[in-house]
Amino acid sequence: GQNIDQPTEMTATEGAIVQINCTYQTSGFNGLFWYQQHAGEAPTFLSYNVLDGLEEKGRFSSFLSRSKGYSYLLLKELQMKDSASYLCAVLDSNYQLIWGAGTKLIIKP
Amino acid sequence: ETGVTQTPRHLVMGMTNKKSLKCEQHLGHNAMYWYKQSAKKPLELMFVYNFKEQTENNSVPSRFSPECPNSSHLFLHLHTLQPEDSALYLCASSQVAGDIGELFFGEGSRLTVL
Repeated sequence: GQNIDQPTEMTATEGAIVQINCTYQTSGFNGLFWYQQHAGEAPTFLSYNVLDGLEEKGRFSSFLSRSKGYSYLLLKELQMKDSASYLCAVLDSNYQLIWGAGTKLIIKP
Repeated sequence: ETGVTQTPRHLVMGMTNKKSLKCEQHLGHNAMYWYKQSAKKPLELMFVYNFKEQTENNSVPSRFSPECPNSSHLFLHLHTLQPEDSALYLCASSQVAGDIGELFFGEGSRLTVL
């Protein structure tokens, strides 16, 4: 079967760095997405990786290793507003999105 | 208005009621989706419409009935629901279904079935 694993919850301190991991086992691979979802709000797109390596976008970076079935989202200089759930999703060979259950990130002052 | 708009934001209904969720997108997209989001579970894809044609029905019970009158509007008709159907129902749109484009989500309709 297809599976996406990510930690259920993480806690970090304002101003610090946090890495949210995502491992996947899917039927084929056409890219990996990260979405951010604040409580009571819509998920919003953060990043898309299809090639190996690190892609940086301001304070957020996303890394992909296709051979390891692994990705991470790196958040730097954490701010209180970064408290949210972070959803990992893989586009499989049929262009179907397979979703993880999300990681709830709690930022403490 | 811009983006994806869902109404109502909150809905409480009894098991014998009939209600509908509405979704509207102002992005000019051709694909629209219904997802179910339950606590600590992955998003569950329910239905996909591409150019107004239903292309996906992921074994969803018949008590959920989608309707897509045009590329901008999507409805989810609800009847004789069960308490386990209580969840956040998210609507999303994208340029075309089955490509690598990002999804644009609405804020969801929080459904409680008593």
